[in-house]
Amino acid sequence: DSGVTQTPKHLITATGQRVTLRCSPRSGDLSVYWYQQSLDQGLQFLIHYYNGEERAKGNILERFSAQQFPDLHSELNLSSLELGDSALYFCASSVLPGDTQYFGPGTRLTVL
Amino acid sequence: AQSVTQLGSHVSVSEGALVLLRCNYSSSVPPYLFWYVQYPNQGLQLLLKYTTGATLVKGINGFEAEFKKSETSFHLTKPSAHMSDAAEYFCAVNRFGNEKLTFGTGTRLTIIP
Repeated sequence: DSGVTQTPKHLITATGQRVTLRCSPRSGDLSVYWYQQSLDQGLQFLIHYYNGEERAKGNILERFSAQQFPDLHSELNLSSLELGDSALYFCASSVLPGDTQYFGPGTRLTVL
Repeated sequence: AQSVTQLGSHVSVSEGALVLLRCNYSSSVPPYLFWYVQYPNQGLQLLLKYTTGATLVKGINGFEAEFKKSETSFHLTKPSAHMSDAAEYFCAVNRFGNEKLTFGTGTRLTIIP
């Protein structure tokens, strides 16, 4: 158990819908990262937040957004969902930016 | 820019045999290198990491990896495979000051009884 928690574990929804994925970092970690794992794209970095502020963006679609709250938990919002958004979404956390990242168990999103 | 190449998307070894999973990286600056393992329906677990210092790094579950700058490699080894080692293994790279991890495509390890 890495200490990073993610909810929900599974999410099934329809095209065009909007969902929110939640992540709680390890105690003491200020950085939260989001990654997407899909069969065709592999593991891709989406976005990084540090202490409530966006620090870096990767291959994140405009339909996707994230935020980190004062209690340091983070949410990833996915809207206008398409079939191709079906994937495993991981959250990771670290003490500071660039430190070793510890991953949560992931949220499996299925878009029908 | 940095990238990671994992040679062999599938590797099968007999129980008790040597495990060797290959990883080559490219990075314009000294890299930090990681191996993560993903068991079925689970998240990524850190096996080991190299940042600076000793080039032979020991990790959990009997795995180790050696950073070879001249070969731009960070291969993962285990002397004797166990059935519980069956999983997918990912090599990843980043560098000091760069937040994102760049992952390889993964190697699925199968252990033959």
